[in-house]
Amino acid sequence: ETGVTQSPTHLIKTRGQQVTLRCSSQSGHNTVSWYQQALGQGPQFIFQYYREEENGRGNFPPRFSGLQFPNYSSELNVNALELDDSALYLCASSLGGTGGENEQFFGPGTRLTVL
Amino acid sequence: AQSVTQPDIHITVSEGASLELRCNYSYGATPYLFWYVQSPGQGLQLLLKYFSGDTLVQGIKGFEAEFKRSQSSFNLRKPSVHWSDAAEYFCAVHHSSYKLIFGSGTRLLVRP
Repeated sequence: ETGVTQSPTHLIKTRGQQVTLRCSSQSGHNTVSWYQQALGQGPQFIFQYYREEENGRGNFPPRFSGLQFPNYSSELNVNALELDDSALYLCASSLGGTGGENEQFFGPGTRLTVL
Repeated sequence: AQSVTQPDIHITVSEGASLELRCNYSYGATPYLFWYVQSPGQGLQLLLKYFSGDTLVQGIKGFEAEFKRSQSSFNLRKPSVHWSDAAEYFCAVHHSSYKLIFGSGTRLLVRP
């Protein structure tokens, strides 16, 4: 069984640019959640996709957007990058769109640095 | 608003000593609670979870946690710490059926 994978591992961008991060969910999982983890902080929820539809969103501006594909992999897009967007971006997959008992399995993350 | 507080930013223990990491939550309903561990450069690994029933839950790697509703706490414990337990530990509560709210984490250092 393949776990959650994310690409790229590291990324360096400059302010104002756009970035796309990718996530492949664990086999059989139909739900993907994205989190931002700034240095020294806990992860903050960005949004969740369930069966290709956004299922919930945290307190992030619209320049953070996402997609989920029919194979349940997902992308996180960030436009007009700001210095504060520098963080570890974590993807988590789970089975089922709702219910706290559905364990979220996390990928290793993508480290984004904005200069 | 729902929140999770981990009051200890850093904790240092000697190898073989016992460990307790504190977690307090603010949540109106019966919470789903989790402890995750994050090693440097790694994602989050689930140690244990509480949904209902027995308030003492067992997890992987010899960890356990106790849910105390009266204190709004879900503290993580281990009777004997190993050097490989050095990592960052996060407590989280499941909120609104789709997202986890995390605490700010506790970094565990293990003295040889």
